[in-house]
Amino acid sequence: DAGVTQSPTHLIKTRGQQVTLRCSPKSGHDTVSWYQQALGQGPQFIFQYYEEEERQRGNFPDRFSGHQFPNYSSELNVNALLLGDSALYLCASNLGQGLPEAFFGQGTRLTVV
Amino acid sequence: GEDVEQSLFLSVREGDSSVINCTYTDSSSTYLYWYKQEPGAGLQLLTYIFSNMDMKQDQRLTVLLNKKDKHLSLRIADTQTGDSAIYFCLPKVPDTGRRALTFGSGTRLQVQP
Repeated sequence: DAGVTQSPTHLIKTRGQQVTLRCSPKSGHDTVSWYQQALGQGPQFIFQYYEEEERQRGNFPDRFSGHQFPNYSSELNVNALLLGDSALYLCASNLGQGLPEAFFGQGTRLTVV
Repeated sequence: GEDVEQSLFLSVREGDSSVINCTYTDSSSTYLYWYKQEPGAGLQLLTYIFSNMDMKQDQRLTVLLNKKDKHLSLRIADTQTGDSAIYFCLPKVPDTGRRALTFGSGTRLQVQP
């Protein structure tokens, strides 16, 4: 079991550009959540996908959007990048039943210059 | 954010015991998790305790729960340099397999050789 995998691991973008980050959940997991972790902070919830729909959303602007595919993998898109979007973006998956712990990927380090 | 309080920093010498404390607000929490984040990495579920338990021991880790005071602690025996990381305490309420996780800033544990 590969666990949660994210790509790419590192990314540098220019202010104003758009970025797409990808996540494959742990085998058997159907729910994917995305978190943004700025340096020195705890992760902040962006949104969650289940059954290919956005089910919950944190306090992030509409520039942040996502998608979930039939195979449960997910993408996070950020438009009109700002310098403040520089962070570690973490994907977490769970099954939504039983012990509700989340399994996290290693993250994508996004730097906006 | 506001759901848990942890001290921001703890420094110990290699071989000593570390105790990381956490207070939380939601008394309906059913599971209480400890996540570990090594530098530049994603989060790893370290251990958890059910709310009907007072203590759980797992090798070098001991989790103590005081439900009355809503206080959770993580003790790491014989702390090693590889234990240097940020530790996040997360209480979790029932039904919420798909509820977003709310992280505080965590406790940064620094182990001095």
